[in-house]
Amino acid sequence: SAVISQKPSRDICQRGTSLTIQCQVDSQVTMMFWYRQQPGQSLTLIATANQGSEATYESGFVIDKFPISRPNLTFSTLTVSNMSPEDSSIYLCSVGTTGSGKLFFGSGTQLSVL
Amino acid sequence: GIQVEQSPPDLILQEGANSTLRCNFSDSVNNLQWFHQNPWGQLINLFYIPSGTKQNGRLSATTVATERYSLLYISSSQTTDSGVYFCAVVILTGGGNKLTFGTGTQLKVEL
Repeated sequence: SAVISQKPSRDICQRGTSLTIQCQVDSQVTMMFWYRQQPGQSLTLIATANQGSEATYESGFVIDKFPISRPNLTFSTLTVSNMSPEDSSIYLCSVGTTGSGKLFFGSGTQLSVL
Repeated sequence: GIQVEQSPPDLILQEGANSTLRCNFSDSVNNLQWFHQNPWGQLINLFYIPSGTKQNGRLSATTVATERYSLLYISSSQTTDSGVYFCAVVILTGGGNKLTFGTGTQLKVEL
């Protein structure tokens, strides 16, 4: 399985600011996804990070709020913009390879917005 | 969209006990996975099991795709099994590679 490094592991931010989360994989992967896990809840897919093109967002998530970059097959960033306390969640990067079916997750970023 | 329900929502076991966790889904799927989220938040992939039965140590899983459910068995539970167990699926038609997660089962194993 791929080794996924996600940082920061946690952060406390002020309302109205932005935070960029990085996801680095030790091998090339075809699929990268970003998930959100609100306190005590299950995981919800934010978007699919597409290499070299705009991310594909799920219903309820927009690019202005959650801009995503994926410049190559091993790296992606998620920015949480203009944060409010409702954005306090764990954000997780997930990767997979075509044909394997299995997805693997980074260790997550615990975000608290004051 | 697809509904993925897990039961029970919460479970407390004595160390050494066995348990069965259930995952029901509302549509045909071509991908089903079980994950364990430990108390530190890390998600570990336990099984990729769109159909059939697999075993890995004290854990085993069975998916009956035609009846739209999957079961995760934990035998001789240990305190390190504590955490939240999620099943996640990809629907057969139009799902791409996007996993939809279930509601989760919170497991606590006590000494």
